[in-house]
Amino acid sequence: DAGVTQSPTHLIKTRGQQVTLRCSPKSGHDTVSWYQQALGQGPQFIFQYYEEEERQRGNFPDRFSGHQFPNYSSELNVNALLLGDSALYLCASSLTFVGPYEQYFGPGTRLTVT
Amino acid sequence: SQKIEQNSEALNIQEGKTATLTCNYTNYSPAYLQWYRQDPGRGPVFLLLIRENEKEKRKERLKVTFDTTLKQSLFHITASQPADSATYLCALATSGTYKYIFGTGTRLKVLA
Repeated sequence: DAGVTQSPTHLIKTRGQQVTLRCSPKSGHDTVSWYQQALGQGPQFIFQYYEEEERQRGNFPDRFSGHQFPNYSSELNVNALLLGDSALYLCASSLTFVGPYEQYFGPGTRLTVT
Repeated sequence: SQKIEQNSEALNIQEGKTATLTCNYTNYSPAYLQWYRQDPGRGPVFLLLIRENEKEKRKERLKVTFDTTLKQSLFHITASQPADSATYLCALATSGTYKYIFGTGTRLKVLA
């Protein structure tokens, strides 16, 4: 049973560029959440997707957008990259039906903005 | 403003002892509280979930308590082992929301 997978593992981008990160949820899961984790900090909630819709959003600017596909996989897009966007981006999958859910996290994508 | 506080200083304990980690919160009324383990360069791993109407939850060597009056959760690892060394994160969510707010984590080091 494959867990949550994310790609790419590492990414280096220049300020002003755009980036797309990808996530495949754990088999059987229908909900994907994205988090940003700066060094030495806890993960910060970006948004959550369920049934191909953004269900809830954290305190992140519109430069951060996402998408969920019919197979439940998801993408996180960040436009006009800033140096401060450098972080570990984590995807977590869960099953909405079970309620206050366990989240299964992927290994993350390390994004460096220069 | 809402705040979740975990001891930012590393906790060093001797193998075999009980490790106790603290998660305090203010201006927040969580319905659910979770604890995660995170190893360097890896994603967090879910350990335990406790609801606001539960005082205590156990899983093998792990125990979590949740005191909504003190606005505090304690996370215990009994008979600690060097393999328990990691950063432990608490995360809270209110009822009707899907958004978990994480603390900054406490780094635990179990000395052999």
